Amino acid sequence: DTGVSQDPRHKITKRGQNVTFRCDPISEHNRLYWYRQTLGQGPEFLTYFQNEAQLEKSRLLSDRFSAERPKGSFSTLEIQRTEQGDSAMYLCASSLKGLSGANVLTFGAGSRLTVL
Amino acid sequence: AQSVSQHNHHVILSEAASLELGCNYSYGGTVNLFWYVQYPGQHLQLLLKYFSGDPLVKGIKGFEAEFIKSKFSFNLRKPSVQWSDTAEYFCAVNAEDTGFQKLVFGTGTRLLVSP
Repeated sequence: DTGVSQDPRHKITKRGQNVTFRCDPISEHNRLYWYRQTLGQGPEFLTYFQNEAQLEKSRLLSDRFSAERPKGSFSTLEIQRTEQGDSAMYLCASSLKGLSGANVLTFGAGSRLTVL
Repeated sequence: AQSVSQHNHHVILSEAASLELGCNYSYGGTVNLFWYVQYPGQHLQLLLKYFSGDPLVKGIKGFEAEFIKSKFSFNLRKPSVQWSDTAEYFCAVNAEDTGFQKLVFGTGTRLLVSP
């Protein structure tokens, strides 16, 4: 088990371009989360999946953002028509949701996006 | 609105000093509480967690936290900090009223320990 992997680690793009981030969760985990973190702030929830179903989306996730988890394994987060305000660290986390309700998230190293 | 507050944004301590970082939340009902740590250049790591039982929980590296339900608080403590504790510390909550479905973080406290 190599933990949660994210790719790429850094992405620099020009405003208006599309970018895609990939997350590979811990293999036995059934939940996958995307968070965004900007300087001086804590991680902000964007969306999460249980298996392949996207169960909740934050209002922070505008229509330019889309996330998928097609086979319940890896996930992608795409940002279309990037804006400078999208510059942030995009964090992926996974967890194994137990019957007791306990839900401990394990985070990846993040994908840092810079929009010029 | 439901939120998690960390009132100390920056803390500077000398080695061997005692540490207490405050965390308050505004959720009603049952909560699960967490402290995560982010060392320079590294990813978020779980420091400790509280689900139920003894309100004083112990985590890695000598850290502990106390859940005080009446004060909606989950403060992090360490009796004697080391230079290697320099990091950013995040309090986080997931709550029964959101089905324990997502973790909500505070804004973080940046700790600098001088040798």
